[in-house]
Amino acid sequence: GIQVEQSPPDLILQEGANSTLRCNFSDSVNNLQWFHQNPWGQLINLFYIPSGTKQNGRLSATTVATERYSLLYISSSQTTDSGVYFCAVVKLGTGNQFYFGTGTSLTVIP
Amino acid sequence: DGGITQSPKYLFRKEGQNVTLSCEQNLNHDAMYWYRQDPGQGLRLIYYSQIVNDFQKGDIAEGYSVSREKKESFPLTVTSAQKNPTAFYLCASSEPGHIEKLFFGSGTQLSVL
Repeated sequence: GIQVEQSPPDLILQEGANSTLRCNFSDSVNNLQWFHQNPWGQLINLFYIPSGTKQNGRLSATTVATERYSLLYISSSQTTDSGVYFCAVVKLGTGNQFYFGTGTSLTVIP
Repeated sequence: DGGITQSPKYLFRKEGQNVTLSCEQNLNHDAMYWYRQDPGQGLRLIYYSQIVNDFQKGDIAEGYSVSREKKESFPLTVTSAQKNPTAFYLCASSEPGHIEKLFFGSGTQLSVL
């Protein structure tokens, strides 16, 4: 398989603050996605980003594939950003089996 | 609306009982997956299927079984051999290709009575 480590495990922010979540992976990947799991358990795909940088509103993500890490930036956080953020990767050459990190639990307080 | 429907939302299992979790998608995706999530943990792959009538074991397949008789349906059976079945179960689908995104259902919480 492949090891996927996320940091920090827990994060508490005041509304309006910015944050950076990190995902490290142990091998070359050809697929990397970031997900947000809301308090009701629903997982929403935020970014498909095996390399490069993307932005979507207050969220942006950067993956440096050669150094085996990805970053998710949340700016001007809102209470609705609360939940767990997961990184998932597919190891190069292994088809489409996704491996998930253990997540970062984010709580945004008003 | 296109999406993935999981049912039931909550399920209780008695000792020695098999239970089946339903997953239906109308996204016309070829690939479907079952994941297990334990509290405070990431998702672990149970089974996946890339095409009708074919499926492969994931990392934690013991005590589970699946079928893929139709493209839109991928039911998961939790058998009595699974000694610790209490968990949140998530079904996902994707369209294999250049950009392969995972889409998830809303999950089933299984508990043991």
